[in-house]
Amino acid sequence: ETGVTQSPTHLIKTRGQQVTLRCSSQSGHNTVSWYQQALGQGPQFIFQYYREEENGRGNFPPRFSGLQFPNYSSELNVNALELDDSALYLCASSLGGAGYEQYFGPGTRLTVT
Amino acid sequence: AQSVAQPEDQVNVAEGNPLTVKCTYSVSGNPYLFWYVQYPNRGLQFLLKYITGDNLVKGSYGFEAEFNKSQTSFHLKKPSALVSDSALYFCAVRPNNNDMRFGAGTRLTVKP
Repeated sequence: ETGVTQSPTHLIKTRGQQVTLRCSSQSGHNTVSWYQQALGQGPQFIFQYYREEENGRGNFPPRFSGLQFPNYSSELNVNALELDDSALYLCASSLGGAGYEQYFGPGTRLTVT
Repeated sequence: AQSVAQPEDQVNVAEGNPLTVKCTYSVSGNPYLFWYVQYPNRGLQFLLKYITGDNLVKGSYGFEAEFNKSQTSFHLKKPSALVSDSALYFCAVRPNNNDMRFGAGTRLTVKP
């Protein structure tokens, strides 16, 4: 098991609502990345935070936003939820730098009805 | 467009036989390459990576991968498969420090 934790485990929301997902990174890691994994697909990169600043973003609209805190934990916020936002959301922590492997949490399963 | 392809949705092998899970990529420059494994109801787990140097890299649980720059491939291999290797395998490419691309995954089934 990695030292990355995510909460909640499961979540059910209604279309149009807002949601906040949380992630605690592995000790010593200063970089957090968030991914969306739809059923039967590979993870899609949402964004990355390094030392509290967003320094990379995938092809996701601005209603997907995030924060990283001084202890390097992180939040993913999604506004105006859509049915297609239903997915497993994965958080991964690592040291800074492209060559470092990422350590993933177990994910949060979001269902939008 | 930068992308990663895993041409096989499913790979079936018998226990004890060698296995190969294929990955090709289309990324400019010299990307960093990774393999991850996902067990049911679990997050992804790092297996191995290629950064630079020897084209054959060794990783966890007896897995290895061969980097081929001319073919832009990074195939995952294991000399002798175990039933416990059955899982979903993802190839990933990091073209720079600010992006990460995963393949769609290959489901490996090892039969006794």
